[in-house]
Amino acid sequence: ELKVEQNPLFLSMQEGKNYTIYCNYSTTSDRLYWYRQDPGKSLESLFVLLSNGAVKQEGRLMASLDTKARLSTLHITAAVHDLSATYFCASRNFGNEKLTFGTGTRLTIIP
Amino acid sequence: NAGVTQTPKFRILKIGQSMTLQCTQDMNHNYMYWYRQDPGMGLKLIYYSVGAGITDKGEVPNGYNVSRSTTEDFPLRLELAAPSQTSVYFCASQKRAGNTEAFFGQGTRLTVV
Repeated sequence: ELKVEQNPLFLSMQEGKNYTIYCNYSTTSDRLYWYRQDPGKSLESLFVLLSNGAVKQEGRLMASLDTKARLSTLHITAAVHDLSATYFCASRNFGNEKLTFGTGTRLTIIP
Repeated sequence: NAGVTQTPKFRILKIGQSMTLQCTQDMNHNYMYWYRQDPGMGLKLIYYSVGAGITDKGEVPNGYNVSRSTTEDFPLRLELAAPSQTSVYFCASQKRAGNTEAFFGQGTRLTVV
């Protein structure tokens, strides 16, 4: 059964710094998703990664996928306060119907 | 397009009462999911469906039931509400191929007292 783990669970960082959130999954997967959730809100899609080596960037966020290592990363560059949120990764194997989420990383950007 | 619509947004139930959380999507997605999110926690899969007439259990199905009579609708039924079911419930839908993201509704905040 597919399991998805994220680390760290909590991350407090200063504005302007760089950091990476890690997402490990337990079985072969070729579909990896990143979402953002603001307090009291629903989930907003950030990235869809569909192949080994896939890299996508939007503003200060960049996501990558290494299917051989079963690892995806979400890199934050020069963090700003607006990026404070909880970030989730999720995976779904083609042919496996379940969309499984990681535990989430609560990111707080300190001025 | 409206996307994924959930109703109601908020509800307070007494222990032992029943209710149905509604979810409808207008994107012709085959796959639909129900998750619950407890305060400060991640998403746990309750039930999912890969198409009309087909449903299956997720990680935490006890105390819930679902049906999928049409592609658009995927209601979640709570038969005998318990305080442990106090949570925020999210419905999501996705294309069969999974090559685009799953879309989420705005959530239903349920309190059982």
